[in-house]
Amino acid sequence: DAGVIQSPRHEVTEMGQEVTLRCKPISGHDYLFWYRQTMMRGLELLIYFNNNVPIDDSGMPEDRFSAKMPNASFSTLKIQPSEPRDSAVYFCASSLVGTGGEQYFGPGTRLTVT
Amino acid sequence: RKEVEQDPGPFNVPEGATVAFNCTYSNSASQSFFWYRQDCRKEPKLLMSVYSSGNEDGRFTAQLNRASQYISLLIRDSKLSDSATYLCVVNGEPGQLTFGSGTQLTVLP
Repeated sequence: DAGVIQSPRHEVTEMGQEVTLRCKPISGHDYLFWYRQTMMRGLELLIYFNNNVPIDDSGMPEDRFSAKMPNASFSTLKIQPSEPRDSAVYFCASSLVGTGGEQYFGPGTRLTVT
Repeated sequence: RKEVEQDPGPFNVPEGATVAFNCTYSNSASQSFFWYRQDCRKEPKLLMSVYSSGNEDGRFTAQLNRASQYISLLIRDSKLSDSATYLCVVNGEPGQLTFGSGTQLTVLP
């Protein structure tokens, strides 16, 4: 079975550009999570969806970040405009039972903003 | 105070050694607890859930102490392949899953 799929795996962009990260959760999973990981702050939950509906976006750092889930098999995380401090690894994860159970992580997108 | 605190290490131990990690959490209402493992430049993966009664999976033992609000992970007979970062994960408020910053383990030959 395919796991969580993320694209691109690596992204290098210039400050001010728009960045779109993509995620395909495991089929049948009804929860989807976006995380960001940096050396300084560790792994942070940005937002999560249940049945395509955003439930908690309190972790989204600011208005430059937005996330959508138009259907059960696709989600995007957009940063516009990007800044160097957005450089991090962004993980998408999915699960069957929300935050009370195992989450399956994708391989991550390593974002570098210069 | 951080919601979930771990000793970052690094822990450098010889093969065959026993090593223990502790993690403390601040939210007394937390209900679910996990240990995840993250290899270098890879995604986190669930190692084991932590149950109130304690649980064991082969060489790995996890324990929960609700009164003191800490979780432990014991690894016996360490293998080179156990080298990784171990993340303590706590579910607190509904929808909030908080990861510790991780404890780095290196098992030396």
